[in-house]
Amino acid sequence: AQKVTQAQTEISVVEKEDVTLDCVYETRDTTYYLFWYKQPPSGELVFLIRRNSFDEQNEISGRYSWNFQKSTSSFNFTITASQVVDSAVYFCALSDSGNTGKLIFGQGTTLQVKP
Amino acid sequence: EPEVTQTPSHQVTQMGQEVILRCVPISNHLYFYWYRQILGQKVEFLVSFYNNEISEKSEIFDDQFSVERPDGSNFTLKIRSTKLEDSAMYFCASSDWASGANVLTFGAGSRLTVL
Repeated sequence: AQKVTQAQTEISVVEKEDVTLDCVYETRDTTYYLFWYKQPPSGELVFLIRRNSFDEQNEISGRYSWNFQKSTSSFNFTITASQVVDSAVYFCALSDSGNTGKLIFGQGTTLQVKP
Repeated sequence: EPEVTQTPSHQVTQMGQEVILRCVPISNHLYFYWYRQILGQKVEFLVSFYNNEISEKSEIFDDQFSVERPDGSNFTLKIRSTKLEDSAMYFCASSDWASGANVLTFGAGSRLTVL
């Protein structure tokens, strides 16, 4: 069965600190996709990134970066120089190679960035 | 930027009542979904819909739930006889083929409170 674990329930940092959100997944599929979504206090779910299982290159987008390691089944998310606007719940999710759009979400990590 | 629109933003209902949650997906998207998030918990898949039929549903999506695309723009979730445990945020999402059916754009959610 597919499973996503985000062991960090809450993280609190001071603005400008770097912070890494951990995500560990389980799947028997050889082809799968990993995602990160952001849920700000307003409640919507904002897509951040999708990565397929064959692409282990790390990705950087501005202050955001993602580290995908198949050997440890992890897909960690780092925010560099955090800002108050980064305060949100962050969800890691997993889907199989099919196109059903069924995402398995982790429990989420609440990030609080203090000024 | 195109968005998924959900109404109502918040609905309060009595146990046993029928509820219809409405969604307007992004116009050129072909895949539609409902997810739910019980307060403070992770986001859970309910159902995916493609080509006017359900393509996959979860165990949560029992006979009390139904989905419909009554016209070319709306996508609805009906709960026939609400229970207390149906209280949650319900997210509609849509995706297209070009970017990958599992790259979902979520709406802002409809909060359902069952009393």
